[in-house]
Amino acid sequence: GQQLNQSPQSMFIQEGEDVSMNCTSSSIFNTWLWYKQDPGEGPVLLIALYKAGELTSNGRLTAQFGITRKDSFLNISASIPSDVGIYFCAGPNLWNTDKLIFGTGTRLQVFP
Amino acid sequence: NAGVMQNPRHLVRRRGQEARLRCSPMKGHSHVYWYRQLPEEGLKFMVYLQKENIIDESGMPKERFSAEFPKEGPSILRIQQVVRGDSAAYFCASRGQINTEAFFGQGTRLTVV
Repeated sequence: GQQLNQSPQSMFIQEGEDVSMNCTSSSIFNTWLWYKQDPGEGPVLLIALYKAGELTSNGRLTAQFGITRKDSFLNISASIPSDVGIYFCAGPNLWNTDKLIFGTGTRLQVFP
Repeated sequence: NAGVMQNPRHLVRRRGQEARLRCSPMKGHSHVYWYRQLPEEGLKFMVYLQKENIIDESGMPKERFSAEFPKEGPSILRIQQVVRGDSAAYFCASRGQINTEAFFGQGTRLTVV
């Protein structure tokens, strides 16, 4: 079945630094979704991507849909303490039943 | 608040009891997903439902677990004869017919004692 691998698994950065993380798939996706999960809360949708090569921003967040359609990237500029959390990529499994599958997550820690 | 509503937020059950988790999707959404999350782990797909139909239950354990999404009312995830290993956070998400963007509830944290 389709697998989504995220890297890095975790990041420890200083406030103000930029962050970059990615998500790769064993097969093609037509949609990429990026979520953030705070401790004890449900995931919150950050950005949705629908076209190969698409670059979309949401405030300090920018995400890109890879040209090969097998990967996606999320960048956070000028990180702040409230960026702490787990970031997940997700996409619909088009080869089966359209279920939404999630990546393994990138855990971000920001130090002041 | 028109978001996805899950209740209860916290549920404690003794081994052998039944747990019922409810999910009211966003208004107008007819697709519901249920996920399970263990501490420090990712979201594991359990089941995908549309109104009155189970589309994909490939992530659900074959025994003790069931899910429904009736024509009226919330989606229900039911766990019979709970065991300690069922302790986890259970999240549901909903989406509309066309758009693949799914929105999550705040989850139900099940503790089996």
